Amino acid sequence: AQKITQTQPGMFVQEKEAVTLDCTYDTSDQSYGLFWYKQPSSGEMIFLIYQGSYDEQNATEGRYSLNFQKARKSANLVISASQLGDSAMYFCAMRPGTLSGSARQLTFGSGTQLTVLP
Amino acid sequence: KAGVTQTPRYLIKTRGQQVTLSCSPISGHRSVSWYQQTPGQGLQFLFEYFSETQRNKGNFPGRFSGRQFSNSRSEMNVSTLELGDSALYLCASSPNRVENEQYFGPGTRLTVT
Repeated sequence: AQKITQTQPGMFVQEKEAVTLDCTYDTSDQSYGLFWYKQPSSGEMIFLIYQGSYDEQNATEGRYSLNFQKARKSANLVISASQLGDSAMYFCAMRPGTLSGSARQLTFGSGTQLTVLP
Repeated sequence: KAGVTQTPRYLIKTRGQQVTLSCSPISGHRSVSWYQQTPGQGLQFLFEYFSETQRNKGNFPGRFSGRQFSNSRSEMNVSTLELGDSALYLCASSPNRVENEQYFGPGTRLTVT
């Protein structure tokens, strides 16, 4: 079974500063994938970034980067130069290995509510 | 390219009724997954359909069912609604053989009274 833990229910950051949202995971799979999604108050889940367990480089997408530490089983999201529009709920999620037959079944953490202050 | 669409966006039903929600995936995507989001349980996987076949199912009672059509559009049905079924239902579409991409729709917010 897979488990995702997000220990920060809420975070505040000043506009233009960087912020790190924590995510730790537990799995017995050797192959797996990690996602981060943003969910504004409208409800839609917006894909931000993906990291495969065998990817040697940390994933980056614009202002988003994923600090992947495999030995520590952590996959923290770093948002640089925060903007007011970044205020939202952020979810870390994991998928099992592609050979498991359930590679699209995501397990989500409980989320972190990020508030960007002007 | 159009994104994932879900209809209706909002729905109010009475306990005991049934409901059908619809999801149209991104063009070319053949996998559709459904999730339930509640304040108490968070986001939970319901089921995944690929090429009209249910490939995986989460831990939900048999009142929750789904299907997928030949054009990849999917529906989920909840029969005998309970108050606890009030939730945001999200569907996600994914391309074939690509497990690192899942794109979600705006969701259907179901309220059961």
